[in-house]
Amino acid sequence: SAVISQKPSRDICQRGTSLTIQCQVDSQVTMMFWYRQQPGQSLTLIATANQGSEATYESGFVIDKFPISRPNLTFSTLTVSNLSPEDSSIYLCSVNRYTEAFFGQGTRLTVV
Amino acid sequence: AQRVTQPEKLLSVFKGAPVELKCNYSYSGSPELFWYVQYSRQRLQLLLRHISRESIKGFTADLNKGETSFHLKKPFAQEEDSAMYYCALSGRSYNTDKLIFGTGTRLQVFP
Repeated sequence: SAVISQKPSRDICQRGTSLTIQCQVDSQVTMMFWYRQQPGQSLTLIATANQGSEATYESGFVIDKFPISRPNLTFSTLTVSNLSPEDSSIYLCSVNRYTEAFFGQGTRLTVV
Repeated sequence: AQRVTQPEKLLSVFKGAPVELKCNYSYSGSPELFWYVQYSRQRLQLLLRHISRESIKGFTADLNKGETSFHLKKPFAQEEDSAMYYCALSGRSYNTDKLIFGTGTRLQVFP
């Protein structure tokens, strides 16, 4: 299995500011995934973070809005920039281990 | 296009009744399909995967390639089964481990 610590668990932010979410895994992994879960909707993949290279973003998500860092094989951060109310959502990090996905507990972001 | 469809947002049953949570997919290749579950105040976790052909907590799911379905079934629902269930597809055929999720079905089991 994989144990993922994600923080903060929740935050309330002013529009126009940024929030950085941290994800720590208990063992080394090649890829880390960042998902967004908007109210009443499914989990949508934002990007895949590889250590030592640029993150790969899904359609509709751009680096300027969601910059990602991956300084080593156990840690990643996702920043949600220039916040607007539409960014209010739950953000999840995830890793795979033997075809099973493990998730952090999520960060609930509210933009006011 | 790769897509997972869960047509029911909410499914309510009484304890002891059979349960079927529907999942249909669209994928050009050999899919790997999963059911993930999120109990109240817990993180999302794997329930079962089609390649294992296993029964977990009484739940089973059979991949039907002809109907492109992967419905989750349990003959006798329990109150502790109440949770959010997500069907997911892995894009392994495209050399990626990312998951594509359906919109989820909330299962409510009443006593």
